[in-house]
Amino acid sequence: SQQGEEDPQALSIQEGENATMNCSYKTSINNLQWYRQNSGRGLVHLILIRSNEREKHSGRLRVTLDTSKKSSSLLITASRAADTASYFCATHANNAGNNRKLIWGLGTSLAVNP
Amino acid sequence: EAQVTQNPRYLITVTGKKLTVTCSQNMNHEYMSWYRQDPGLGLRQIYYSMNVEVTDKGDVPEGYKVSRKEKRNFPLILESPSPNQTSLYFCASNSLNADEQYFGPGTRLTVT
Repeated sequence: SQQGEEDPQALSIQEGENATMNCSYKTSINNLQWYRQNSGRGLVHLILIRSNEREKHSGRLRVTLDTSKKSSSLLITASRAADTASYFCATHANNAGNNRKLIWGLGTSLAVNP
Repeated sequence: EAQVTQNPRYLITVTGKKLTVTCSQNMNHEYMSWYRQDPGLGLRQIYYSMNVEVTDKGDVPEGYKVSRKEKRNFPLILESPSPNQTSLYFCASNSLNADEQYFGPGTRLTVT
């Protein structure tokens, strides 16, 4: 079953503004990942944060993880029109065994207006 | 270039006509997986494979088959497609030493 939930479902901002997306999950995790999907295209890995990490940066991306609240946030700073896409969080559960299955949220649709 | 390829990218077919969606990766990854993506349901895993000749069911395996005869290839087979299998399908792979998954470009399947 899906366990990630992103919030908000949709976000529309102006170029140059920051975009913040949140993700909540239900079970204990090894790591949490964020992916981007351009309309109808494949998913691209953005960043991974492990359960023992609280914050991670990659370029204009900043991810936080709060395991006590089972939540994560993705911040995109100084957004560009090219950031327009859907963003998904995915978790790799502790109890997945050998299956490297990721459990996905439903995504946040981000529109960055020029 | 490291990549996962899928073919075909788009397919319209009729109920009951067997079809195969191919998936190939050039990264020597052990793990491969198939997902379907549906509005309001997100991505759900269909089947996965830990290595050659090792496959197992994911969350929604009914109506699908897979095989893993070679490490690079992981085809998805629909023996008798039905309209409820109309969806966007993604193949993904990753190394067992890493958690990042690499995705193919997707196959949009319509079954009428």
